[in-house]
Amino acid sequence: AQSVTQLDSHVSVSEGTPVLLRCNYSSSYSPSLFWYVQHPNKGLQLLLKYTSAATLVKGINGFEAEFKKSETSFHLTKPSAHMSDAAEYFCVVSVLNDMRFGAGTRLTVKP
Amino acid sequence: GAVVSQHPSWVICKSGTSVKIECRSLDFQATTMFWYRQFPKQSLMLMATSNEGSKATYEQGVEKDKFLINHASLTLSTLTVTSAHPEDSSFYICSFLEGGLAGAGLETQYFGPGTRLLVL
Repeated sequence: AQSVTQLDSHVSVSEGTPVLLRCNYSSSYSPSLFWYVQHPNKGLQLLLKYTSAATLVKGINGFEAEFKKSETSFHLTKPSAHMSDAAEYFCVVSVLNDMRFGAGTRLTVKP
Repeated sequence: GAVVSQHPSWVICKSGTSVKIECRSLDFQATTMFWYRQFPKQSLMLMATSNEGSKATYEQGVEKDKFLINHASLTLSTLTVTSAHPEDSSFYICSFLEGGLAGAGLETQYFGPGTRLLVL
């Protein structure tokens, strides 16, 4: 079965600096990959998804992620962090509708 | 994006009682939906997958007689926690699968806001 590893449980950045949330996956088949964000007391929101089209995927709120098959990675980036980006981020791998979530990365944004 | 609602958002109950959680997709129909459980500061754990009109498929370690899933229609699914105990206290999240052929990679899951269950 597929799996996903989020390499950092907590990332802290200053407002206006770049964000990098790392994700590695394992899958025997060509996967679909997603990033979701969860704000406190709110539901999961889809940031972006990769489904075998362009390897650089642009999402909402200025986030983007690059699928690198050779590195089995799908890291999430944003050029400039905003205070409202503080949340929990989940990397997800899906094969034939079987979705597996990473453990999550908590992003803290300092003023 | 698509909207999924859950009701109730918060429930407190006594040990031994049953609790029903509703999950509705408000602006689309979906054949497949999922129920997840999330413990504090942990990731989501898939409990079961259900297709409308069929019995749910439960993940290993999830008791199907304890967590009853009824996928009554393309827009409604319910999860009933039967004879709840304190260890069942958790955050339960549903999602609907919308769009595209299953497995084609074009589908997207839309998640409900979650239901927090506290069993005393």
